[in-house]
Amino acid sequence: KAGVTQTPRYLIKTRGQQVTLSCSPISGHRSVSWYQQTPGQGLQFLFEYFSETQRNKGNFPGRFSGRQFSNSRSEMNVSTLELGDSALYLCASSWTGTSGTYEQYFGPGTRLTVT
Amino acid sequence: AQTVTQSQPEMSVQEAETVTLSCTYDTSESDYYLFWYKQPPSRQMILVIRQEAYKQQNATENRFSVNFQKAAKSFSLKISDSQLGDAAMYFCAYRSFSGNTPLVFGKGTRLSVIA
Repeated sequence: KAGVTQTPRYLIKTRGQQVTLSCSPISGHRSVSWYQQTPGQGLQFLFEYFSETQRNKGNFPGRFSGRQFSNSRSEMNVSTLELGDSALYLCASSWTGTSGTYEQYFGPGTRLTVT
Repeated sequence: AQTVTQSQPEMSVQEAETVTLSCTYDTSESDYYLFWYKQPPSRQMILVIRQEAYKQQNATENRFSVNFQKAAKSFSLKISDSQLGDAAMYFCAYRSFSGNTPLVFGKGTRLSVIA
């Protein structure tokens, strides 16, 4: 079974621009979560989508948004980029059963650099 | 809110030796999951081991095992017969069992393996 894929792997953008990152979950997984990883703040939760609905949201400004499609693929968008948005963005998918959501499997990440 | 603490920012171990990484967490919940993830220099986050809080038996996966002390809210990872490929950042993570909530990560421990 193919793992979680993320595109693009690397991205360089300029302050003020916007960016869209894509994540394809493991087949059969309906939950997709996004995390931001930086040296200073570590791993921080952005949001989670399940069946095209945002189920959880972290403490990030409204410039960070996301969505999930009917095939469970997810995108996240960051508008009006700031230098501090430079980070590794990780996507994780998980399978949800009757007793909750199980362990998350991560993609390779998208390295975003804002100049 | 739950918190996860990894008190050892860096550790090193000789090849073939055993090393233990520490993790403590704070929660008022009685049911939850605990995980150890490994992030090698490639940045791909890999699930190492998982423990359900309701299970008294410590989880084991080949050379990796945990010491889960629920009352002490401690969840350490033991790596036996350390190999060069074990060099990575190791993250301890918590997830509630009920409800579908995001992973809460510790800050990580960087493990070096010395040949």
